[in-house]
Amino acid sequence: AQSVTQLDSHVSVSEGTPVLLRCNYSSSYSPSLFWYVQHPNKGLQLLLKYTSAATLVKGINGFEAEFKKSETSFHLTKPSAHMSDAAEYFCVVRRGGGADGLTFGKGTHLIIQP
Amino acid sequence: EPEVTQTPSHQVTQMGQEVILRCVPISNHLYFYWYRQILGQKVEFLVSFYNNEISEKSEIFDDQFSVERPDGSNFTLKIRSTKLEDSAMYFCASSGYTAHSYEQYFGPGTRLTVT
Repeated sequence: AQSVTQLDSHVSVSEGTPVLLRCNYSSSYSPSLFWYVQHPNKGLQLLLKYTSAATLVKGINGFEAEFKKSETSFHLTKPSAHMSDAAEYFCVVRRGGGADGLTFGKGTHLIIQP
Repeated sequence: EPEVTQTPSHQVTQMGQEVILRCVPISNHLYFYWYRQILGQKVEFLVSFYNNEISEKSEIFDDQFSVERPDGSNFTLKIRSTKLEDSAMYFCASSGYTAHSYEQYFGPGTRLTVT
């Protein structure tokens, strides 16, 4: 079985400062890992994915994440927060192939202070 | 850019009634999924569908749920006899093989309210 733990339910940062959203995973297999973002009243948008290629993954809107197998972590970062980054962020793991369902973390609500 | 669409955006129904939630996946995708998100809780996998049959289902997906791809474009989730606890946001997703992986693309969701 696989699972993800998002260590913070809420993160608040000031605009222009770095963002760090933490995620730890558990998987019996070599996992595929994703970060999705959900803006208010919108669907889920894929930010980035890790699929056993490069451990540092770059996504959209300046976000990146680093896969660390020894720490079973996949933290999401951004050097400089923008007001438009305010949203719910989900760390997600998938066990394997195309038909496998995704397992979501509980989400981290990112608040950007002006 | 192609996207997954869902209708209706909001559905209100009475307990015990049947509802059908509709999705149009991205046209060249082969895998289809339903997820739900109860208010304040995490997104949960319900079912995946490939080659006109269920590939995987969670323990949530019991006999009151069914899925169908009635034609070449639509993918539906039917809840036979709705309960209050079925109130949730239901997301449809589809995936195809892109850049050595299967990325799932989500629709905007249908908010189901059971009264």
